[in-house]
Amino acid sequence: GESVGLHLPTLSVQEGDNSIINCAYSNSASDYFIWYKQESGKGPQFIIDIRSNMDKRQGQRVTVLLNKTVKHLSLQIAATQPGDSAVYFCAEASGTQGGSEKLVFGKGMKLTVNP
Amino acid sequence: NAGVTQTPKFQVLKTGQSMTLQCAQDMNHEYMSWYRQDPGMGLRLIHYSVGAGITDQGEVPNGYNVSRSTTEDFPLRLLSAAPSQTSVYFCASSRSGSSGNTIYFGEGSWLTVV
Repeated sequence: GESVGLHLPTLSVQEGDNSIINCAYSNSASDYFIWYKQESGKGPQFIIDIRSNMDKRQGQRVTVLLNKTVKHLSLQIAATQPGDSAVYFCAEASGTQGGSEKLVFGKGMKLTVNP
Repeated sequence: NAGVTQTPKFQVLKTGQSMTLQCAQDMNHEYMSWYRQDPGMGLRLIHYSVGAGITDQGEVPNGYNVSRSTTEDFPLRLLSAAPSQTSVYFCASSRSGSSGNTIYFGEGSWLTVV
């Protein structure tokens, strides 16, 4: 079936570096994507989202890029901080009645920020 | 995790036992969903509901039952627990047309089946 997946399972960076987390999706009809952060023992926490009519969206220290041609999106975190250490997931909203009732998650990537 | 309450937080079951994971939200959201998360994996959709009286299957529905008799509650029933159902379970709720920052997740229920 359709799936959303990540290329890298782990990423270790130094504090202050920029981090890039990649995600590939297979459903070319997808029109809405969300990045989540999950800390140990907690539920997913919304970071940023993007719709298919956009190529780029920026938030506070985060940027999401969407390349529909190759069905790829990425999350860029600027000036990574120890508090950014977590597992990051991309998710595709696939529900027919608005999307938010059905999310397809990638496998996740663990980001470790070394002080 | 404003407004989505899951109980219990931790549960140990024996193979073959049944139990119900409770999920309640007080935001009058139409949509509610149950996900499971296995170690090192992303969340996978079990069942979802777009309103009271309406439920549908997600990606991994086998072994689970749901009902939505009220807008507020969306219980997940394990009919005959199996070790393969050892997982962390998350409930989520949202309004129709919600964007990502208005999808609310519960804090999770850790289930171990022995």
